[in-house]
Amino acid sequence: AQSVTQLGSHVSVSEGALVLLRCNYSSSVPPYLFWYVQYPNQGLQLLLKYTSAATLVKGINGFEAEFKKSETSFHLTKPSAHMSDAAEYFCAVSEGGNAGKSTFGDGTTLTVKP
Amino acid sequence: DVKVTQSSRYLVKRTGEKVFLECVQDMDHENMFWYRQDPGLGLRLIYFSYDVKMKEKGDIPEGYSVSREKKERFSLILESASTNQTSMYLCASSLRPQGGETQYFGPGTRLLVL
Repeated sequence: AQSVTQLGSHVSVSEGALVLLRCNYSSSVPPYLFWYVQYPNQGLQLLLKYTSAATLVKGINGFEAEFKKSETSFHLTKPSAHMSDAAEYFCAVSEGGNAGKSTFGDGTTLTVKP
Repeated sequence: DVKVTQSSRYLVKRTGEKVFLECVQDMDHENMFWYRQDPGLGLRLIYFSYDVKMKEKGDIPEGYSVSREKKERFSLILESASTNQTSMYLCASSLRPQGGETQYFGPGTRLLVL
């Protein structure tokens, strides 16, 4: 069975500071991993995904994530936060042979202070 | 670009009413999903469909049913709305029913049941 744990429901950073959002997964087979972002009053949109190619994945808006199998982690980072990064972020995992279903974490709300 | 539309952004219904939420995608995707989103609980899968007239229960199907008569349209039905079904409902679609596929989300319907 697949599952995802996002550590920290709220993260606050100053503008220009490093953003680090944590995600740990559990999967019985090699996983596919995703980060989605949700801006206020909108649906989710894909930031980046890992599909067993390069372990360091680059996404939109300067975000990246590193797949670490030994730590079962897929943390999301951005070197310098911008005010427009304020949003809710969801980590998700899916497995092959599971009809494309994804399991989502509970979400982390990122606040960026001026 | 994939576009997923939902019939309403906001709905107010009374307890016991039958409620229909409609979702349409325009990219010939095979998979469609209905989630509900509640604060602190992330996204929880209600139902999904991998083909016309096919449906599978997700994690929280009780009190809901779905219909997929055409490939592009996936409807969520609340047979008798209750106050505990007040929530944000998100529809999503993906190209194929397999792991690694990105899900594309609609803007959501915020349902209030009085």
